[in-house]
Amino acid sequence: DVKVTQSSRYLVKRTGEKVFLECVQDMDHENMFWYRQDPGLGLRLIYFSYDVKMKEKGDIPEGYSVSREKKERFSLILESASTNQTSMYLCASSLLGEREETQYFGPGTRLLVL
Amino acid sequence: RKEVEQDPGPFNVPEGATVAFNCTYSNSASQSFFWYRQDCRKEPKLLMSVYSSGNEDGRFTAQLNRASQYISLLIRDSKLSDSATYLCVVNPSGYSTLTFGKGTMLLVSP
Repeated sequence: DVKVTQSSRYLVKRTGEKVFLECVQDMDHENMFWYRQDPGLGLRLIYFSYDVKMKEKGDIPEGYSVSREKKERFSLILESASTNQTSMYLCASSLLGEREETQYFGPGTRLLVL
Repeated sequence: RKEVEQDPGPFNVPEGATVAFNCTYSNSASQSFFWYRQDCRKEPKLLMSVYSSGNEDGRFTAQLNRASQYISLLIRDSKLSDSATYLCVVNPSGYSTLTFGKGTMLLVSP
């Protein structure tokens, strides 16, 4: 069974803290993605990765960085958390290849920045 | 023009009703199309892919109109468990990134 896990379901941090969100998939997928989802704005792509140590900016990368040291793990880093980064963060993975676009999502992390 | 547009709803329907959602996309070169379902406070999950010839999966039928650049989802004999947000999703480039619509909320009542 397909499985994407995220390190925390709920997280509360203070402004200025460094925040790490971890995502692990057990499907040997090449592609991994980080989104944030906000009411009225839908899902927005922050960063994605096609391979180990590879990363590409999505639509809203500002204020974020990522790390992919192993194929199964993709980390999202908020270098200095701000209140406007309060959101639901969703990780997803997919296979690399034509017509293999189905993305499988983790359960999400609800981050509150105070 | 937004890349993928959907009516946010909510669509309120009684059990057993038939309901249809449309979605328009702006990039005429888009390669593939999907409907995802997202339950309240849960992650999105693939409901079905949308093929040029149309496709059906039980009570769900998806259609693609490339000329008019819209996708539709028809749900027949609605169940209470169909209550969710339905996301229209487009692959604009043939690569692995997807563009998600903001979703259409469906509420099915007894």
